[in-house]
Amino acid sequence: DIQLTQSPSSLSASVGDRVTITCRASQSISNNLNWYKQQPGKAPKLLIYAASTLQRGVPSRFSGYGSRTDFSLTVSSLQPEDFATYYCQQSYSSPPTFGQGTKLEFK
Amino acid sequence: QVQLQESGPGLVRPSQTLSLTCTVSGASINSGSYYWSWIRQPAGKGLEWIGHIYTSGMTNYNPSLKRRVTISVDTSRNHFSLQLNSVTAADTAVYFCVRDSGWSGHTWFDPWGQGTLVTVSS
Repeated sequence: DIQLTQSPSSLSASVGDRVTITCRASQSISNNLNWYKQQPGKAPKLLIYAASTLQRGVPSRFSGYGSRTDFSLTVSSLQPEDFATYYCQQSYSSPPTFGQGTKLEFK
Repeated sequence: QVQLQESGPGLVRPSQTLSLTCTVSGASINSGSYYWSWIRQPAGKGLEWIGHIYTSGMTNYNPSLKRRVTISVDTSRNHFSLQLNSVTAADTAVYFCVRDSGWSGHTWFDPWGQGTLVTVSS
């Protein structure tokens, strides 16, 4: 299975901050990397697919970058609703796997 | 707009079979070239893909669970189902049903059901 390692595991920030979460794959996955946001008690929600394509309806303050083994998710200016847990997920090979998550908390 | 809704018992005894159904609304489960997945999440932990099914009945399972999992589809009822045999406390989790979406060699999970908590306990 392809392992995805996210860093940091948790992050404290304030409204208006710019934050970046990284995801490293254990082998090259081209750009088959997706990002999800999960709020407590809710299902994950797709933010970005194919490493850098914003899902319809997702605010433009979210952006994704990367290819092969190194990827990042950036939020340009944090809003209150952005404090959640974020997961990366690879779709390069089966089984699809997820990173362990990054919890974004209020500072 | 496609919506998914999980249903099934919230409590399962150890060694018994966990059975869940995902009802798809807003579109026919046959429309488009989609796979339909089950994903689970133990409390406070990450996400684990269990397996998926195509409307033809073709399945693919996570090797870590393959011995115990069966996913089936009933196109007449517009739903697909999960069976997990010989459960233990380690199978306690929120179970999500999800559509595998994508194009041009890329796939992603969207939309998701709201999830249903299944507890394995005597």
